[in-house]
Amino acid sequence: SYELTQPPSVSVSPGQTASITCSGDKLGDKYACWYQQKSGQSPVLVVHQDSKRPSGIPERFSGSNSGNTATLTISGTQAMDEADYYCQAWDSSTVVFGGGTKLTVL
Amino acid sequence: EVQLVQSGAEVKKPGESLKISCKGSGYSFTSYWIGWVRQMPGKGLEWMGMIYPGDTDTRYSPSFQGQVTISADKSISTAYLQWSSLKASDTAMYYCARGTGTRESGYYFDSWGQGTLVTVSS
Repeated sequence: SYELTQPPSVSVSPGQTASITCSGDKLGDKYACWYQQKSGQSPVLVVHQDSKRPSGIPERFSGSNSGNTATLTISGTQAMDEADYYCQAWDSSTVVFGGGTKLTVL
Repeated sequence: EVQLVQSGAEVKKPGESLKISCKGSGYSFTSYWIGWVRQMPGKGLEWMGMIYPGDTDTRYSPSFQGQVTISADKSISTAYLQWSSLKASDTAMYYCARGTGTRESGYYFDSWGQGTLVTVSS
């Protein structure tokens, strides 16, 4: 079965750029999306189809996908961005989630 | 405004059956998939399956096939997730989410319910 691998944790200082990666075999040939889940809340879609932002998502969230790696980039990271982030792709008629990355803003 | 409202928290004993619900509003319920996602305590998101209420086409994750049943009643814009015999390991938060996309490009979930906490304990 298809697997997506994320680093368990990423740390960033306020105002700096955070990059969260998601790796999978030939992931660049598929669309990747990203969800943000704050503590005790439901997930929220922040990027879909590799790099598109849903309405209401701040411009500091951006995405890319090439080769075997999709990346979520948060520019000018704010304290409110501290959350778990999950990548997701579609493979063989199956939704696949990455294991999640805890973003700490310190 | 798109809304998915899930049924309330449940406390059940092992072996009992359960059906939880997810009611959609603010959009055409029959034109989007509804997916179900499990999140065990302190763990990540796991896709369980999804249903297209327009024609009841249903897909299951291999990990959950045969363990749960997904259904929908389009007349009341509600999707369901049910178990015939719960286990302690079914204790988790369950989310429904609206799925969009295509079979070719893939699906993603653009709106989520508030979650239903299911606790299974003797």
